[in-house]
Parts: sequence; C-alpha cells; structure tokens
Amino acid sequence: QVQLIQSGAEVKKPGASMKISCKASSYPFISYGISWLRQAPGQGLEWVGWISPYNGDTKYAERFQDRVTLTTDTSTTTAYMELRSLTSDDTAVYYCARNFGVVTVNWFDPWGQGTLVTVSS
Amino acid sequence: EIVLTQSPPTLSLSPGERATLSCRASQDVATYLAWYQQKPGQAPRLLIYDTANRATGIPARFNGSGSGTDFSLTISSLEAEDFAVYYCQQRHNRPPTFGQGTRVDIK
Repeated sequence: QVQLIQSGAEVKKPGASMKISCKASSYPFISYGISWLRQAPGQGLEWVGWISPYNGDTKYAERFQDRVTLTTDTSTTTAYMELRSLTSDDTAVYYCARNFGVVTVNWFDPWGQGTLVTVSS
Repeated sequence: EIVLTQSPPTLSLSPGERATLSCRASQDVATYLAWYQQKPGQAPRLLIYDTANRATGIPARFNGSGSGTDFSLTISSLEAEDFAVYYCQQRHNRPPTFGQGTRVDIK
C-alpha cells in the first residue's frame, strides 16, 4: 500500500536549521505532489508548502517563504523539508502528505507518521 | 486566507448515535472542502474530499454535504473507533487552511 515514512524525532537549538525526510513507496513518485504540514502541541493543522516531484515546482505558505526549502530525490523517492532560523514556535509534529495529482495543492492522502521537532535551548 | 470555523468544539455522544459536525468558511469555497479524522498520537486520515466523496476505504456511515460557505459531516451511527478529532480543510484558495477541529467523545 502507499506509504510515507518520515525520519525520526529531532531536538534543535534556537537559530539552528532542521532537515527532515519522507520516503515514499508503492506508487509512481513523480505523479503526485508532496505537501508538508505541521501541528504544534495540542493545536490544529498548518500547511507549510508543496513540491512537485515531477518538475521541482514549489509553493510555500507566505509565513514560511523566506526560511523553508522543499526538495525531492527521485532516485530514492524521498522528499525533504529544510526549515531554518528555528524558534520555540517551530516546536511541532511535522507531517508529509501526498496530494492528488502533481499539478497543485489539494487534498492530503495519505500522511506520513509525523516527525516531532523540539526547539529548545 | 480563508478561515474555517468548526462547531461545536466538542460533541459528546454515545455509540450508535448520529453525529453532525459543521464547518463554516469565511468566504465561498464552492465544493472544495475535505474532512479528516485524527486519533491521539496518529496522523490525520482523509475521510471526505470535494465535499461529498468518500476516500478509499472509508465506511458508508461517513457522509459530507454542503456548498459555498456551509458544510457538514454526518456519521450516521457512531462506532467505538469513530471517537476522535475531526478537521475540515479548504483548497479553494492557497494557502489551504484547516478548521480548529471538533472533538467527538464518548458520553
């Protein structure tokens, strides 16, 4: 079945960067977009950005535009999210999720298991 | 960005009862609305997309309806595994946004 397996939990200091991965399997990787979302402790869901593995096109939420970079490696069917200049407000579970099709952001199905990132001095 | 407001925040019901969850958009989203279920410690799961289409493997007791700014998710007869938090999401405008969630718990 379609699976997205994310890298493990991380602890970062304020000002540092993080890069987490999302390994996709059991579907044609370049045929579906990948989004990244996050959920702060006890809070709701927030979209961070989207990437097309087909052509590398990206779209980012405005609030993350200047400090996030999404990439993919089609040879290993893995997507990556790098977030820089971390603050305690970035403490959250980060999810990757597959979108319907490869043209634009739409629905999220399925999701990875989540990666907890804790930012603390 | 489009704000989605879900009501009620919490719904306390018994197994076998009908649950009706609401989602109101701050502007017209046509039928570009989805519903997700999230259980503690798990990732969200897509239930309904494009207002009324059930995702693969979703039981027929989950039904979505609405258009424009007012939407509903109905669970016709609650089963034990349905007690969870439910989120609506719009994709009409970027960024896609989510409601704050409705918790369905056991009465």
